[in-house]
Amino acid sequence: GDSVTQMEGPVTLSEEAFLTINCTYTATGYPSLFWYVQYPGEGLQLLLKATKADDKGSNKGFEATYRKETTSFHLEKGSVQVSDSAVYFCALRGATSYGKLTFGQGTILTVHP
Amino acid sequence: GAGVSQSPSNKVTEKGKDVELRCDPISGHTALYWYRQSLGQGLEFLIYFQGNSAPDKSGLPSDRFSAERTGGSVSTLTIQRTQQEDSAVYLCASSSLSGDTQYFGPGTRLTVL
Repeated sequence: GDSVTQMEGPVTLSEEAFLTINCTYTATGYPSLFWYVQYPGEGLQLLLKATKADDKGSNKGFEATYRKETTSFHLEKGSVQVSDSAVYFCALRGATSYGKLTFGQGTILTVHP
Repeated sequence: GAGVSQSPSNKVTEKGKDVELRCDPISGHTALYWYRQSLGQGLEFLIYFQGNSAPDKSGLPSDRFSAERTGGSVSTLTIQRTQQEDSAVYLCASSSLSGDTQYFGPGTRLTVL
């Protein structure tokens, strides 16, 4: 079945550091890929998405590129801020899963001033 | 416009009691999903409703769990004879018929004593 593997956290960075959170997946066909973010005390929010190979999703300075050859969707940001501290979830929607999302375990990011 | 709402926000119950959790999706969204977020299992899909089609119940962990969606809008997730392992945050999400972006509610935190 479909699965998503994220790098283990927690990740602790200083403000303005470069961020990478790795995400790889297993799925049949061509899934859609997502990053969701959960800020402290808030619900899950969509951060970015990509629906086909080589697409790049971007939002709020974050980027991720759908790499079919490596089955990856790594999240990157060039310069993190304290306000980026949150839990980040990689997810996929399988080609035949009729909307169901499969999530990774989540990565806790803490950014210090 | 209004987002997905869930009630109650917190629920504490005793082992063996039944509980009902409610979800109000975004107006006009025909797809509705329930997920569970727990420390040990991460984010797990439970059930999916799409219009008048039969729901996808493949993620329900046992026959103590059931859900219904009345009039294509509000949904209720019922857990009978609650167990301590049912303690988790139960998340509801909705999406439009053709879109693949799921919008999540704030969740209901269930604690089974």
